[in-house]
Order: sequence, then structure tokens, then C-alpha cells
Amino acid sequence: DADVTQTPRNRITKTGKRIMLECSQTKGHDRMYWYRQDPGLGLRLIYYSFDVKDINKGEISDGYSVSRQAQAKFSLSLESAIPNQTALYFCATSEEYQETQYFGPGTRLLVL
Amino acid sequence: GDSVTQMEGPVTLSEEAFLTINCTYTATGYPSLFWYVQYPGEGLQLLLKATKADDKGSNKGFEATYRKETTSFHLEKGSVQVSDSAVYFCALRVGDDKIIFGKGTRLHILP
Repeated sequence: DADVTQTPRNRITKTGKRIMLECSQTKGHDRMYWYRQDPGLGLRLIYYSFDVKDINKGEISDGYSVSRQAQAKFSLSLESAIPNQTALYFCATSEEYQETQYFGPGTRLLVL
Repeated sequence: GDSVTQMEGPVTLSEEAFLTINCTYTATGYPSLFWYVQYPGEGLQLLLKATKADDKGSNKGFEATYRKETTSFHLEKGSVQVSDSAVYFCALRVGDDKIIFGKGTRLHILP
């Protein structure tokens, strides 16, 4: 089984809808991250969490919110989706004092 | 601020060709440097890393040397294979915080 899983893998939604992307990990890592990937722009950090009680904004947090329900779960919400949030979204984890990040398979989101 | 600049793609090579993907960085401290690879339909995975100047990271035939004097971490492979077709991301980390990724370079290897 994969160490970092994301659901759903693909999602189509309409402008104005609220949606949630979920991430679960079995690696036992404290740190979790949400990125979005756009063609030609690479990966940009949306939010990150160093433990259950610690949530931090990344470089592009506007229009997004997150919830760290447990050490193993980190959800990303789009309160009112807009077309320019169409992207590939990745969750990642890392261990404290370790530098390598471990990525999930991604969620492809299309906002119509 | 801290940043990573890597060569734009796509890069198209024939099988067994020599590969170089350039990466330069700007950082206020002493960063650790990484190359991540993203195969089609998958998430990123660490390819190699180097944590201090003159270190060489290597994995799967790929190499990159941390050059502080030129602030570079170029990725090289002597003989590429079709299976190396992917998107490659250079990245850095300064301090105990987050990783900053470059924009990625798409590599196509022709049989």
C-alpha cells in the first residue's frame, strides 16, 4: 500500500462549489504539506503543518483552507472554487529534522 | 529571497546521449540541494541530494555536485534511457522550514 494517499484522484466541479481534498499517510511523519502544480510554474506551497496544532500559510494560501484532523490526515478545502484553481494538487510529508519530502500521487482538479 | 532557477524544457535527447540539466540557486543561508523526479502520472520522488558544498549526490546513474562558488547544482547522466523520460525539479531548503522548488524541466528520451 502507498505511504501517502490522496482522495479523490480526479475531480470536476463547478465555480462556487465547496470541495475538499484529503490526504492520509502511514509514514508516521509529523510534517505535512499541500502544493499545487501548474504547467510552467512548478510546485507552489499552499499550506503546511508541522504537527496537529501547527498550521502555516504558504506562498499561495488565498482561497484555500486546511484542517489537520490527526497526525496522519491533512485536508485541503476550496471554500468557493474558481476556474483558476484548476491544477494538480499534491500532498507531501516529511519527518522532523529530515529533509526529504514524500509525495502522494496527486489530485487533478478541474473547475468549470 | 531564496529561489531556484532551472533550464526550461522540454529537453529531447536520443537514448544513450549525455544529459545535463542546469540549476542555479539564490539563498541567504547554507541550503541543502535536491533533485526530485516526477514520472508520468505520479507524485514527485527524491532522486538525489547534497547537504554541503562540494558534496556529490548520486542515484540511478544521475549525479549532481553542490558548487557553492557558482551557486549551482547541475544534474548529469552519462547515458540516458527511455525510462528516464520525466519532469525533473531542482529544489533547495534553508533552515528547518520548507523546500523551494524550481519550475521543472521536462525530459523526453527518444528510442
